[in-house]
Amino acid sequence: AQKITQTQPGMFVQEKEAVTLDCTYDTSDPSYGLFWYKQPSSGEMIFLIYQGSYDQQNATEGRYSLNFQKARKSANLVISASQLGDSAMYFCAMWGDMRFGAGTRLTVKP
Amino acid sequence: DADVTQTPRNRITKTGKRIMLECSQTKGHDRMYWYRQDPGLGLRLIYYSFDVKDINKGEISDGYSVSRQAQAKFSLSLESAIPNQTALYFCATSDRVNYGYTFGSGTRLTVV
Repeated sequence: AQKITQTQPGMFVQEKEAVTLDCTYDTSDPSYGLFWYKQPSSGEMIFLIYQGSYDQQNATEGRYSLNFQKARKSANLVISASQLGDSAMYFCAMWGDMRFGAGTRLTVKP
Repeated sequence: DADVTQTPRNRITKTGKRIMLECSQTKGHDRMYWYRQDPGLGLRLIYYSFDVKDINKGEISDGYSVSRQAQAKFSLSLESAIPNQTALYFCATSDRVNYGYTFGSGTRLTVV
């Protein structure tokens, strides 16, 4: 079965600094996509960014970018200029597989 | 109104009781999903449905059943609730063309 791995249960970052949240995946499909979702303490799931396996460039959405390394099967989320409101759980997921990683809890320190 | 509505938002029930969690959507999406979230385990797929006549088990379907009453409605039942089914339950939808899931606000279920 395809698999999504997030190896960082918790991360801390200083406000205004950048942080990278790791995600590795395992698939034999040549066509796939990877997502990141944010879950604040209120509980809702918020879509952040999507990367398709055939996309030529790494995806970016405002302060979010994906460091997509296909050969390494990794799709790490980079948050630039962290804000206090970025403190949340972050989940990586694979399109088609319907599986999510275990999540990383990010805490932004003032 | 929310695109994906889950009811109830919170529920406390006793061991052995039957309980139904409901999900309705206004997105017009074909595909609907039920996930449960436990601390440290992320979201795990319980059941999914790609259209009204299509129901599929996910990775943790034991102890659960579902019903797709219409394109817009997908309900999850716990026939005889047990304490380890205490979790946050999410309904989600997607379509065939656009990537990504739209999530409901979640149902926090406690089985005592």
